[in-house]
This record gives sequence, structure tokens and C-alpha cells, in this order.
Amino acid sequence: QKEVEQNSGPLSVPEGAIASLNCTYSDRGSQSFFWYRQYSGKSPELIMSIYSNGDKEDGRFTAQLNKASQYVSLLIRDSQPSDSATYLCAVRALGNQGGKLIFGQGTELSVKP
Amino acid sequence: GAGVSQTPSNKVTEKGKYVELRCDPISGHTALYWYRQSLGQGPEFLIYFQGTGAADDSGLPNDRFFAVRPEGSVSTLKIQRTERGDSAVYLCASSSSGTYNEQFFGPGTRLTVL
Repeated sequence: QKEVEQNSGPLSVPEGAIASLNCTYSDRGSQSFFWYRQYSGKSPELIMSIYSNGDKEDGRFTAQLNKASQYVSLLIRDSQPSDSATYLCAVRALGNQGGKLIFGQGTELSVKP
Repeated sequence: GAGVSQTPSNKVTEKGKYVELRCDPISGHTALYWYRQSLGQGPEFLIYFQGTGAADDSGLPNDRFFAVRPEGSVSTLKIQRTERGDSAVYLCASSSSGTYNEQFFGPGTRLTVL
């Protein structure tokens, strides 16, 4: 079992729709969760971080965390073609391993005009 | 302000050669991370520095890989006797100290071993 799992996609949504990206993780003690956006040929760009159960909203983005279910998601409202990218879920490892992030393989999102 | 910078952006080398990849973190960031990303995969952790010392090098695949950060700022990832399987994008990230540890990535170095 991978430590952080995402559906690889591609996930295709029409422009203006809500895109829902999901991620599960195996380490129940994980505390910090991140979503990165990665355009083709570019490096990951941090778009959301979440540390507490519930929802966190930032503009068109909402991150949702459920620690009991070991599940984190990202909702993108009013999806735009410019949102087409790979979205990476990352979980911060704990303990004396410090601040390293464990990444999922990413979900490719395609927003069709 | 300036983000994380990495040089070179591209490096092509021959099997068996030695390469050095450089990372310049965001000013004031005490933590520096190296990751490696292969096509279609998420970044894979290599090593993490807190200041000058390697706090976690558990991701280095073997003893051909080594990294330093002698003055607590710029870091160099060194790969000896390169193999074709080392071909990947090498990403550097930095973060400030503290609980939340938001990591910001540089543009990466694409390494190709022929």
C-alpha cells in the first residue's frame, strides 16, 4: 500500500464546473497536508495547506480534511482551462524524520472550454 | 522576493560521470530539501537539511549520492558514477522553521544520463 494515494486520472470537467480531487494517506498520525499544482514541464506550486479537520477555503479552492477517514480532498469551483494541470497531494511525515513530504502520484485535471 | 533557484536547469552527462546540482533557497529559510521526480510520479524525498546539517538523509538511494550545505544556505547535490536510472528532475525546496513547514520548490534541474 502506498503511503499517499491519488487517482491518476485524467479527470475531465467542463469549464465552470466543480473539480473534486481526492487523496488518502496511510499514516494515521500525520498532521500536515498540502496540495500542489504542477503544470507540464514546471515544478510544483503550493496552492493549499490544511492542518485541522474540516474545510479551508481560499478563493476558488477548498481543501477538506478528515483525519478519522485519513482522507483529504481539494475542490476547485468555477473550473477554468488554466486550472488544467497535475495536482499533487502531499503529507508531512512525523517524528524525528523531520519535515519531509510524502507525495502521491498526482491527479491530472483537464478543464474543457 | 526571490524564490528558490536551481542551476543548471538542464544537465546532460554520460554514464559514469560525476555531476553537481546547485540549489539556492529563499533568503532566511533554514530548512532545505532535495526531491527527485520521475515522469508520471510525484516527487520522491532524498535529503533534508536544517541549517548546515543533514537532519534526514533516508531518501538517498545509495552512496553515490551526497549533498552538502556548508554555510546553511546554498546546497549542492553530488552524484558520482552516474547511471541511466539517475535520469530525472531534481527538485529543491525550502521552508522556514516552525510547525507548518510550507515548502516552496525551485524550478528543478533536469538530469539526463546517456
